[in-house]
Amino acid sequence: DGGITQSPKYLFRKEGQNVTLSCEQNLNHDAMYWYRQDPGQGLRLIYYSQIVNDFQKGDIAEGYSVSREKKESFPLTVTSAQKNPTAFYLCASSMSGGGYGYTFGSGTRLTVV
Amino acid sequence: DQQVKQNSPSLSVQEGRISILNCDYTNSMFDYFLWYKKYPAEGPTFLISISSIKDKNEDGRFTVFLNKSAKHLSLHIVPSQPGDSAVYFCAASLHSGGGADGLTFGKGTHLIIQP
Repeated sequence: DGGITQSPKYLFRKEGQNVTLSCEQNLNHDAMYWYRQDPGQGLRLIYYSQIVNDFQKGDIAEGYSVSREKKESFPLTVTSAQKNPTAFYLCASSMSGGGYGYTFGSGTRLTVV
Repeated sequence: DQQVKQNSPSLSVQEGRISILNCDYTNSMFDYFLWYKKYPAEGPTFLISISSIKDKNEDGRFTVFLNKSAKHLSLHIVPSQPGDSAVYFCAASLHSGGGADGLTFGKGTHLIIQP
């Protein structure tokens, strides 16, 4: 079955540590996205990538980094520079442009302890 | 500046009645609109969409209405069921223009179906 997989489901991190969230898709989608969800804030775009080896900052990219070395994979690193990293993180993918909609992963809940 | 607005953070509806979720947008270039449903600790799932060339699209209990002159769309769910309790996100795109960053989302409306 085609789909998009995020791992792990729950992640705990100590303050000052970097952590990487995994996102893999086998839908042959060109574009991939990372969103953050906080209560009352909706979905805020962190980074997106329309093609391999290229990515763009979204609305809240500070403190995050990404890579897109393979079409199937778009990992997100939450760095120690991110001041408030505790959140629910969602990865999505789409055909080029994304205008017809996304397929979302099931999300990763990151908690800083 | 928020281009897609869902002004009701929450909505409570009795089971069996109609639920109406509203969404307003400011960018007149948007030409495709979608609704997503999200349960806690899960990813959003696609519910229904509508192109700007239409004013209504229906899929079972779900109907989306688009009023381009008012830049307003609404999602009707009838009859409402307990499993409809979730957060609903409205989204818009410039698909014909190939918007670089895909969809623009509203902040969501938490629908609560009361027994």
